[in-house]
Amino acid sequence: GAGVSQSPSNKVTEKGKDVELRCDPISGHTALYWYRQSLGQGLEFLIYFQGNSAPDKSGLPSDRFSAERTGGSVSTLTIQRTQQEDSAVYLCASSSSTGLVAGANVLTFGAGSRLTVL
Amino acid sequence: LAKTTQPISMDSYEGQEVNITCSHNNIATNDYITWYQQFPSQGPRFIIQGYKTKVTNEVASLFIPADRKSSTLSLPRVSLSDTAVYYCLVVALGGNKLTFGTGTQLKVEL
Repeated sequence: GAGVSQSPSNKVTEKGKDVELRCDPISGHTALYWYRQSLGQGLEFLIYFQGNSAPDKSGLPSDRFSAERTGGSVSTLTIQRTQQEDSAVYLCASSSSTGLVAGANVLTFGAGSRLTVL
Repeated sequence: LAKTTQPISMDSYEGQEVNITCSHNNIATNDYITWYQQFPSQGPRFIIQGYKTKVTNEVASLFIPADRKSSTLSLPRVSLSDTAVYYCLVVALGGNKLTFGTGTQLKVEL
């Protein structure tokens, strides 16, 4: 696609429910990132996918969080048993490469998915 | 990963030039310096990237001294629409995890 698409744009859920957030990166982009941004805060790294390599999950805050990327394209971030502190905007970004080329690692972000846990 | 330090906030007026400086004392040889802009309720947007000296595009200029331990994002003649958060990142080509700091909240007034 022309840009990074995220869905849903807004999600309101009850505490304890599971949620899935979807990210459709720019076609051909091999790298995909998930970030979380709480109100008035900076971006918190969650997870990174690069091609067929094992993802870097070092930013996932707990085992309730998981993400997968199918076929090297669409990614789904799943939050199980949501808690109120999970309320935030979840941002997805993709980039064309992390190779040794200037301009690499330039991220294109989606508009985000705003999650509200009641 | 090189850590970056930048001011939490800056205020300016329309028509003025704004310079935001970022410190990255531990920058490595193969690191590039990248700046992003984020408006409320939007994801960050790439502004400019450089390695050394000066880089200019239609949006901004980036000044990097010879030791590369800092960089300055220069926004010429800002307008109200430049009110945003500006993030400085040090990016290792071939690297993976990209960490954003808290950024600089720029507020432009009339």
